[in-house]
Formats: sequence, C-alpha cells, structure tokens
Amino acid sequence: SQQGEEDPQALSIQEGENATMNCSYKTSINNLQWYRQNSGRGLVHLILIRSNEREKHSGRLRVTLDTSKKSSSLLITASRAADTASYFCATAPTGTYKYIFGTGTRLKVLA
Amino acid sequence: GAGVSQSPSNKVTEKGKDVELRCDPISGHTALYWYRQSLGQGLEFLIYFQGNSAPDKSGLPSDRFSAERTGGSVSTLTIQRTQQEDSAVYLCASILVEAGELFFGEGSRLTVL
Repeated sequence: SQQGEEDPQALSIQEGENATMNCSYKTSINNLQWYRQNSGRGLVHLILIRSNEREKHSGRLRVTLDTSKKSSSLLITASRAADTASYFCATAPTGTYKYIFGTGTRLKVLA
Repeated sequence: GAGVSQSPSNKVTEKGKDVELRCDPISGHTALYWYRQSLGQGLEFLIYFQGNSAPDKSGLPSDRFSAERTGGSVSTLTIQRTQQEDSAVYLCASILVEAGELFFGEGSRLTVL
C-alpha cells in the first residue's frame, strides 16, 4: 500500500495565488521529501525536511512537517503557469531506505 | 554520466514477449530504485537495491518480474511473458543514501499490445 497520501488530488488556481498541498504518511520517518513531475516522466527533487525540523524554506517553497500528526504541507507562493505539474511527497520508514511516494497532487496554474 | 540514464526510452512489445529495461545510475550512488507509474497514477514501488542486494522485493507485482544489479552500478528490470497490464512508465532512481535525495531517470515507457 502507499506510504503517503496527498490531498487535494487536483488543484486549479490563478497565477499569483498561493497553492497548498498536503501529505500524510503512516510510519516514523527520518525525512520527508517533495518532488515535482512534468509530463509523466522523471521526477525532480524540490526539498527535503528532516524529522527534527518543523519548517523549511526554499525560494517560493515552504514545507512544514508535523511528526505527531504524520503530515506535511507544501506551500508554493506567488504561483506561475510554469508551476503546473504533479507534486509528490516521499518517505521511508525509519531504519530503511525504502522510499514510497504519495498519490500526488495535480496542480494547474492558470495564466 | 551526469544523470540517471534509462534505456530504452520507449518499448512496444507483443503480449507474451520478454522485455529488459536498463538503468545506469549516477556514479557512486549506493542505492537504486525501480518504480512503475501507470497513466495518471502515482508511483508504485517495485524494488530497491543497496549495493547489489535487494533488501525489499515486496513491490514486484508477480514472479514474472525480476531485477538485478551488478557491480554496484547498472541494473536491469526484466518482465517475462508480458501482459497488457504491464504497460506503464518504469522509472529508475538512484541515491547517495547519506544525502537522501533521489535522482530520477526519464523513464522507460512500455506498451504491451
């Protein structure tokens, strides 16, 4: 079964608005990662947050992690049409390197 | 090479034939992963290697699927007696486990007619 679940499954916003997507997972983890996928091919790493961190920023990206709730959120500020893609979270149970991906959020940013 | 390389990029085969997909990871990366992605779906974990051994093969869908990694580098995913439901994009990723970031290839799109 999937380690992670994302919601919403799909999100459509206007350019300039913020986009928030959430990820829930099932086990204790060492870190949580977010990836982006364009056109159904290779994924690109966006950001990694460790289990002892609560918030991390990278450019227009802000990630939060709540290990007590086993959840994370990814915020993209001031979205652009080029941000249109699918976004996935990935985690591995503590003590393993078995990275499992969530179900993904399809983001569409309208110009 | 500079990135993860997968071949073939696209493969069309007839039902019942065997196919072999290849992944050449980033040099020095210690772990290698195979995932499967059906159209519009998420990534399904198949198998991962640490060095040449596979600690977890639980994601392989059936005994028609097998994978190996040799020399701590190249990996092949073999699908025997392909079925139409095997049609998907097969993604490979490698990682320097200390760093934690997965690097993906562009995938091999398999179509079984």
